[in-house]
Amino acid sequence: NAGVTQTPKFQVLKTGQSMTLQCAQDMNHEYMSWYRQDPGMGLRLIHYSVGAGITDQGEVPNGYNVSRSTTEDFPLRLLSAAPSQTSVYFCASIPRGGTGGETQYFGPGTRLLVL
Amino acid sequence: AQKVTQAQTEISVVEKEDVTLDCVYETRDTTYYLFWYKQPPSGELVFLIRRNSFDEQNEISGRYSWNFQKSTSSFNFTITASQVVDSAVYFCALSYPGTYKYIFGTGTRLKVLA
Repeated sequence: NAGVTQTPKFQVLKTGQSMTLQCAQDMNHEYMSWYRQDPGMGLRLIHYSVGAGITDQGEVPNGYNVSRSTTEDFPLRLLSAAPSQTSVYFCASIPRGGTGGETQYFGPGTRLLVL
Repeated sequence: AQKVTQAQTEISVVEKEDVTLDCVYETRDTTYYLFWYKQPPSGELVFLIRRNSFDEQNEISGRYSWNFQKSTSSFNFTITASQVVDSAVYFCALSYPGTYKYIFGTGTRLKVLA
């Protein structure tokens, strides 16, 4: 298993550009999520999904869209990038059938710089 | 309120010293889960431990140990005989049954000097 994969590893955008951060997992995990990590602020939840076709907002959803058409993939879209979205983005997943409190498996992260 | 506080922003120690990273949490629930993750300079998040609220036994794994005290709402992490490879940012997190959401602390950066 490759686990949780993220692409790209690093991206530079200009303000107003759009892009999609890709996340995939091959562990048949039901739950997937996106976090952003900023200095001094820990990891904050952007969006999450409890299964294909189901998504919901986390703590900091503004400026981001998600969809979950398959169990494996959970892309994060920035429609109009802003400098405030400069951050490191992590995708994570949790196995199917959990009742909460399960260990999350994190991807390697995507470093995004918005100029 | 549900909150995780890691008051130590950065700690520096000399190799072979013992170091304790503090984690204090706030919750009204009786059932919850606590985690520690390590983020080395390479950037990935590495799972270290998961503890549920009904298991107050301390845990030891090699040079790592964890002290869970419900009376003080703390879940502290001690590294014995620290090594340079322990240099990383360490995150404490809280989660609950029926939800997949984690609440992370702001992290503690540990620098172990040779």
